[in-house]
Amino acid sequence: EPEVTQTPSHQVTQMGQEVILRCVPISNHLYFYWYRQILGQKVEFLVSFYNNEISEKSEIFDDQFSVERPDGSNFTLKIRSTKLEDSAMYFCASSEADGQGGGRELFFGEGSRLTVL
Amino acid sequence: DQQVKQNSPSLSVQEGRISILNCDYTNSMFDYFLWYKKYPAEGPTFLISISSIKDKNEDGRFTVFLNKSAKHLSLHIVPSQPGDSAVYFCAASAYNYGQNFVFGPGTRLSVLP
Repeated sequence: EPEVTQTPSHQVTQMGQEVILRCVPISNHLYFYWYRQILGQKVEFLVSFYNNEISEKSEIFDDQFSVERPDGSNFTLKIRSTKLEDSAMYFCASSEADGQGGGRELFFGEGSRLTVL
Repeated sequence: DQQVKQNSPSLSVQEGRISILNCDYTNSMFDYFLWYKKYPAEGPTFLISISSIKDKNEDGRFTVFLNKSAKHLSLHIVPSQPGDSAVYFCAASAYNYGQNFVFGPGTRLSVLP
């Protein structure tokens, strides 16, 4: 069964360092997302991406965050200068469509745990 | 801004009985709803969806009911199995109002043998 894969599964970094989290969405999906979950808190939307550009982003997704689809299969989330409060599980998701008729279900990867020291 | 609420942080049910997980929302523009199951240190696993044009959707042991007038949906699991023990999230999105999904805080279901 097709699945979303994410690497690394766990990354430890020093505050102020740059981090890149990688995702390979399901191959026929067109819409890509990053969500995060801080320990003990709810799953929060960060950004959605379609047709090689950001379609929506939340208030969390400030200038230190960026996303890219560099090669047609990978979808990356970059955090330029990590802060302690960026420590969280980051989930990549993809969906087939976004129409009113359905197909909007998000399929998530296993997550990348980021620990900022 | 809690647009999606799951007011029961936890629920315990005996194996074989019905589990009912509830979700309420405030945004009347939401038109598509999802339920996810999540185990610790894993990503959310999609269970079942429902569009606002329906009031019920069924898939095996899982049934989702939507009451639009009450802005309420529920997930029924029958019969409950120990492997169903996990955190369950409902999520909602609005086609014409920012299509990202807003997640509720989750309900931890424990199915006791």
